[in-house]
Amino acid sequence: GENVEQHPSTLSVQEGDSAVIKCTYSDSASNYFPWYKQELGKRPQLIIDIRSNVGEKKDQRIAVTLNKTAKHFSLHITETQPEDSAVYFCAASGTGGYNKLIFGAGTRLAVHP
Amino acid sequence: EAQVTQNPRYLITVTGKKLTVTCSQNMNHEYMSWYRQDPGLGLRQIYYSMNVEVTDKGDVPEGYKVSRKEKRNFPLILESPSPNQTSLYFCASSLDYYGAPDTQYFGPGTRLTVL
Repeated sequence: GENVEQHPSTLSVQEGDSAVIKCTYSDSASNYFPWYKQELGKRPQLIIDIRSNVGEKKDQRIAVTLNKTAKHFSLHITETQPEDSAVYFCAASGTGGYNKLIFGAGTRLAVHP
Repeated sequence: EAQVTQNPRYLITVTGKKLTVTCSQNMNHEYMSWYRQDPGLGLRQIYYSMNVEVTDKGDVPEGYKVSRKEKRNFPLILESPSPNQTSLYFCASSLDYYGAPDTQYFGPGTRLTVL
């Protein structure tokens, strides 16, 4: 079945710098790749997603890129702010449809003022 | 307000005492799912449901049961909880576009401790 690996597990940046989180997946049939942000004590919330027919998607300071050949996708956050500090999870759709998502282990991002 | 709700939010119990965590959504979503979140392991799917009376195992179903008698509700049942089920549990729901994956909306979470 699908396996998703996420790196790094922790990331520390200065305010204003860029942050990049990378994920790889194993199942070439996966076609949906969401990113969730989880603030301390809160529920995961979708921040951006991409489908396999698109190579890049951007929403203000956040962008996601997808390389289907290499089976990896990345989250890019520019001009980081302290409120970007959270745990970020990538996910890939699993085989068999049914909205199944396989999540990465998460990246704890700390943005220092 | 469109939302997914869970109850209770916090629960401390003892080994073997049956418990139920409720989940309800008001968005008329067909798909609902339960996850557990443990440090360093991300979110792992326990059970999911495509629609009323249709449920199936996820990746870590052992020790759990679910039911889907109504579209809006998807309770998680621990018949005989054990300490290794101490975890943070999330319910999620989404629309089902003929099996195509879509945005999952998560409930606020239930922190369960089994002594």
